[in-house]
Amino acid sequence: DAGITQSPRHKVTETGTPVTLRCHQTENHRYMYWYRQDPGHGLRLIHYSYGVKDTDKGEVSDGYSVSRSKTEDFLLTLESATSSQTSVYFCAIGPAGLGTEAFFGQGTRLTVV
Amino acid sequence: GENVEQHPSTLSVQEGDSAVIKCTYSDSASNYFPWYKQELGKGPQLIIDIRSNVGEKKDQRIAVTLNKTAKHFSLHITETQPEDSAVYFCAAEGDMRFGAGTRLTVKP
Repeated sequence: DAGITQSPRHKVTETGTPVTLRCHQTENHRYMYWYRQDPGHGLRLIHYSYGVKDTDKGEVSDGYSVSRSKTEDFLLTLESATSSQTSVYFCAIGPAGLGTEAFFGQGTRLTVV
Repeated sequence: GENVEQHPSTLSVQEGDSAVIKCTYSDSASNYFPWYKQELGKGPQLIIDIRSNVGEKKDQRIAVTLNKTAKHFSLHITETQPEDSAVYFCAAEGDMRFGAGTRLTVKP
């Protein structure tokens, strides 16, 4: 999996609680991405990072924040989880920019009850 | 980012037949076009890509063609096998959106 580790792999949380998902890479790639995948919607970009402390919003960023304090780690935080954020979350990394080659993690299945 | 449109959304073929998936893009500055395969329960995996300085690229049973004038590119899978069954996504350089995906089913 191109040196990408997502944690946790599965999580069930209650509505209104904060949740942080972690993506760790060992490839030293500049770009890191967070996507969510839902039936009928394919892959949708939440946030991405183009360097340490450099992040930008994707198409579905509301309710999510990210941080990248080190090259190897990209954190996705749901400040107050809602049921609409139940999804499978994928982290990806890549050497270049949006729409170029990317290597995906195994995904995190998040259920908000 | 601009939209990447992908068709068809589902495709069912008999084993041994060919499958073709098409994508269109709008940003003429795009020069790199990757294709991903996602098997059940896994993350997408890059299977082939093409750059705008070539019109076609092959890798065994899969090929990708690019028409920059018309701004579309296609994935071709020949001699399909059951293990080709998966969801396929296209992307275009500079776009934050993937294509919506094509669920390919290869019937034995």
